Amino acid sequence: KQEVTQIPAALSVPEGENLVLNCSFTDSAIYNLQWFRQDPGKGLTSLLLIQSSQREQTSGRLNASLDKSSGRSTLYIAASQPGDSATYLCAVRRFERTGRRALTFGSGTRLQVQP
Amino acid sequence: EAGVTQSPTHLIKTRGQQATLRCSPISGHTSVYWYQQALGLGLQFLLWYDEGEERNRGNFPPRFSGRQFPNYSSELNVNALELEDSALYLCASSMGQGFNQPQHFGDGTRLSIL
Repeated sequence: KQEVTQIPAALSVPEGENLVLNCSFTDSAIYNLQWFRQDPGKGLTSLLLIQSSQREQTSGRLNASLDKSSGRSTLYIAASQPGDSATYLCAVRRFERTGRRALTFGSGTRLQVQP
Repeated sequence: EAGVTQSPTHLIKTRGQQATLRCSPISGHTSVYWYQQALGLGLQFLLWYDEGEERNRGNFPPRFSGRQFPNYSSELNVNALELEDSALYLCASSMGQGFNQPQHFGDGTRLSIL
């Protein structure tokens, strides 16, 4: 059974800092890994999708890396801003015998960027 | 392009009642997924519909059911509501069944059971 862990559970940093969020998964046979952002009481916004054949993806100040063999992904946020405050979730997709193609989510990292 | 839309935004019910939640996927998306986000439990996969058929379901009792309509919109029905059904219910859509298609989420329906 796939398990996804995110560390730390919560993080508070001053504005302007570069920071790294971590995601680890137990089964390396994944198709892809997706990072999401969730604002309080809201749905999820897709940030980056890394295919299993890729090592990293970049979008603006965000960079996500994937190391399948070690079961790890990191989300790097450069020059953090108060508007980056949210919960960040990683999710992996793998094929299961049941045919399930849904995502398995980590519990998230709650980020607070202090102005 | 309109994103995934869900209705209602909030729904308040009492124990034993039935709830119906609705989801409209992004235009062109044929797959719809339902997730439950209960306090302290994280996001759990509920149901997956594609091309009008239920393709798979998560570890939830049969009183959680749904359907997908010819226009690819979807309903989630929860019967015999229990207190622990209180949660944010999120719908996501993707283009086809491809493994490598990202899922796009709506803002959810918050279901409160009194």
